[in-house]
Amino acid sequence: DTEVTQTPKHLVMGMTNKKSLKCEQHMGHRAMYWYKQKAKKPPELMFVYSYEKLSINESVPSRFSPECPNSSLLNLHLHALQPEDSALYLCASSPLGPRGAFFGQGTRLTVV
Amino acid sequence: GNSVTQMEGPVTLSEEAFLTINCTYTATGYPSLFWYVQYPGEGLQLLLKATKADDKGSNKGFEATYRKETTSFHLEKGSVQVSDSAVYFCALSTDSGSRLTFGEGTQLTVNP
Repeated sequence: DTEVTQTPKHLVMGMTNKKSLKCEQHMGHRAMYWYKQKAKKPPELMFVYSYEKLSINESVPSRFSPECPNSSLLNLHLHALQPEDSALYLCASSPLGPRGAFFGQGTRLTVV
Repeated sequence: GNSVTQMEGPVTLSEEAFLTINCTYTATGYPSLFWYVQYPGEGLQLLLKATKADDKGSNKGFEATYRKETTSFHLEKGSVQVSDSAVYFCALSTDSGSRLTFGEGTQLTVNP
């Protein structure tokens, strides 16, 4: 199994809603990531988990709250988002070290 | 710090034409180099990689050679197909961690 699975594929939420994005991998990777991608731009790193502990937070606003319940799962909790947070949110996983990452299909988020 | 520079797009080619997308990098430490491809509406797929100087990564007819002396990792394909139309991202990762540094991406359109 070489897949990273993200749900939902699309999400529309209001600025007062609370929602969660989910990510799952079964490749035994011990590093997992959240990236944000705006149209026609490269992905921007948001968070890195290493051995289920948050190792990097790229100064992301607190309205984004990551969680890693176990080595296969990664969540991103969303609360009080702004329209400018609308983007494609990508989850990725990798072995530790500079070996590249496997990406999920992404969640297309629209904040209204 | 680390950075990746890709040739500006968009690139438009006819089917069976030769493709080159230039990529150069600067890095602290000894980087691993990657090419990712993103088809419309999808996440990123790892296309190929190289982890040391003079390594050649290859996949699906695409090739790239890690050139330390010119700090380059140019992507090539001898005969492109319409199905190769996508955005291509060059990226690197260094010994210091697993995070990826991406170039700005190059949009490729192949016409029949």
